[in-house]
Amino acid sequence: DQQVKQNSPSLSVQEGRISILNCDYTNSMFDYFLWYKKYPAEGPTFLISISSIKDKNEDGRFTVFLNKSAKHLSLHIVPSQPGDSAVYFCAASLPSYGKLTFGQGTILTVHP
Amino acid sequence: GAGVSQSPSNKVTEKGKDVELRCDPISGHTALYWYRQSLGQGLEFLIYFQGNSAPDKSGLPSDRFSAERTGGSVSTLTIQRTQQEDSAVYLCASSTSSYEQYFGPGTRLTVT
Repeated sequence: DQQVKQNSPSLSVQEGRISILNCDYTNSMFDYFLWYKKYPAEGPTFLISISSIKDKNEDGRFTVFLNKSAKHLSLHIVPSQPGDSAVYFCAASLPSYGKLTFGQGTILTVHP
Repeated sequence: GAGVSQSPSNKVTEKGKDVELRCDPISGHTALYWYRQSLGQGLEFLIYFQGNSAPDKSGLPSDRFSAERTGGSVSTLTIQRTQQEDSAVYLCASSTSSYEQYFGPGTRLTVT
């Protein structure tokens, strides 16, 4: 049972435009959500997170939106840069518990 | 400061052999996690340590897999009698909080 799903395996965007990566989850008990970025041959790097008590969190070019009623979160990157090209994973955590449940990842390619 | 380190970075082994994978977490991080990523898949949780104790081993796929942590620091993941389906990238992460985890570069295991 895939509790966290990223239904788009890949996304291609032009430099300077907005990238929107989506993630859906099924477990309403998740209370914290994270986005990680992964380059080839490296471990995932933490990007941005959001608590379930919020609906938006912004950090520079990155904004995460959470829609609890729809059990959906999205990561917006604007403006997109070629260096943003990587695999993006969303992850979710249960209250006071460290184990993260990851989605399958979305490959983002930003073209110059 | 130093991040999470893992060794070896690559391991090729014959089916049926035992392997040991090592993780050095960030100094002072009390929580340590093992995940694996099979080809084209997301990250799959294996085991979680808080100090030297493992309160959650639910992700270990079979009794051929075991892990230990000593001195609240270094952890080793052991796979006995390796099978081809064990081929994956094994990732270690550490954290101080319940949520944001910092990952090592991973060990790519290939079972021939």
